Amino acid sequence: EAGVTQSPTHLIKTRGQQATLRCSPISGHTSVYWYQQALGLGLQFLLWYDEGEERNRGNFPPRFSGRQFPNYSSELNVNALELEDSALYLCASSLVRNSGGTYNEQFFGPGTRLTVL
Amino acid sequence: GQQLNQSPQSMFIQEGEDVSMNCTSSSIFNTWLWYKQDPGEGPVLLIALYKAGELTSNGRLTAQFGITRKDSFLNISASIPSDVGIYFCAGGNYGGSQGNLIFGKGTKLSVKP
Repeated sequence: EAGVTQSPTHLIKTRGQQATLRCSPISGHTSVYWYQQALGLGLQFLLWYDEGEERNRGNFPPRFSGRQFPNYSSELNVNALELEDSALYLCASSLVRNSGGTYNEQFFGPGTRLTVL
Repeated sequence: GQQLNQSPQSMFIQEGEDVSMNCTSSSIFNTWLWYKQDPGEGPVLLIALYKAGELTSNGRLTAQFGITRKDSFLNISASIPSDVGIYFCAGGNYGGSQGNLIFGKGTKLSVKP
């Protein structure tokens, strides 16, 4: 079974530009989560999408946005890039069950390394 | 953003030694997860805990969900060189509206052959 995939692997942008990062979840998973991992820091929650809707967002400015497509893949958009946006962006997916609640076993992709110059 | 208190920050041990690391939180969680991240890769799920007091093993790894639901620990027995990496704890609340996990800052493990 294929795991979570992300593209591109690396992305280099300059300040003020926009970046688009893509994620494909594990087959059958309906939830996609985005996290930012800056150098030397832990993972900071960005966005959660489930069934095409944004369910929750972390403490990040509105220039971080995204969407989930009907096939459950997702993209993260970062507008007006700033130097401090340089980080590893990780996507995770999980299986959400409606009967007894959700499960938090999130499985991560390899990440996209974004460098802002 | 909110983070868990994970300790120690780093460990440098001899091959064959046992390792222990823990995580504490000011908030209650109904899920505790432990991940390992190798350089240049995404975190890999090691163990998931869903019940207060639960003790779960995965090979040489053992993790426990604290009774107060505010802490968890991970033990690695008889460490080997491939155990090198950064270990993260994560807390979550399944069934809630948040969905996301809260992560510790990680424990960097180095193993000397």
